[in-house]
Amino acid sequence: GAGVSQTPSNKVTEKGKYVELRCDPISGHTALYWYRQSLGQGPEFLIYFQGTGAADDSGLPNDRFFAVRPEGSVSTLKIQRTERGDSAVYLCASSLMGPNTEAFFGQGTRLTVV
Amino acid sequence: KNEVEQSPQNLTAQEGEFITINCSYSVGISALHWLQQHPGGGIVSLFMLSSGKKKHGRLIATINIQEKHSSLHITASHPRDSAVYICAVSGGATNKLIFGTGTLLAVQP
Repeated sequence: GAGVSQTPSNKVTEKGKYVELRCDPISGHTALYWYRQSLGQGPEFLIYFQGTGAADDSGLPNDRFFAVRPEGSVSTLKIQRTERGDSAVYLCASSLMGPNTEAFFGQGTRLTVV
Repeated sequence: KNEVEQSPQNLTAQEGEFITINCSYSVGISALHWLQQHPGGGIVSLFMLSSGKKKHGRLIATINIQEKHSSLHITASHPRDSAVYICAVSGGATNKLIFGTGTLLAVQP
């Protein structure tokens, strides 16, 4: 398919464990965003990549969260020492560069920390 | 106060009714987006607009830049329209989205 792909779709992990969430954007989309959506809330911004570099990581809640995009396509969101409060749906979106461009979203990864 | 406010939070309608969801924002924007999210599903973009009005099938979106307000209308609503409708705004150097909390719409047959 040509859409944004996120894996896994669901992840259950124990408190304190390390997790990686993957996003495969639409080919050619240089802009990539990670958002987090808690139950009953709208998504909240985490980090934005322009190509390979994180142009804005102001939404990362703390230093347990980190994301990379080494080749400017696939991105991985990494969470260390997971806490129960990290449980949420993590959404990835990609778009072409520039203002007023449509964002395309993946199906999300539902992370549950037990 | 949230930068993007939606109303109502929950809406129940009978099939065939005309539906309006409202969105107000308090920041400068380059575009406003209306998005649809089905339970357990991803988010789909319905409209992106920076002025005036757009129509797609039974959906109509309007925006008033001066009043910082947008509305999403659904004509002849159908149970398959049941979903969460989210308003979001974008702007600035990163074009990141700032989301409202969504409106949960249930259309009953």
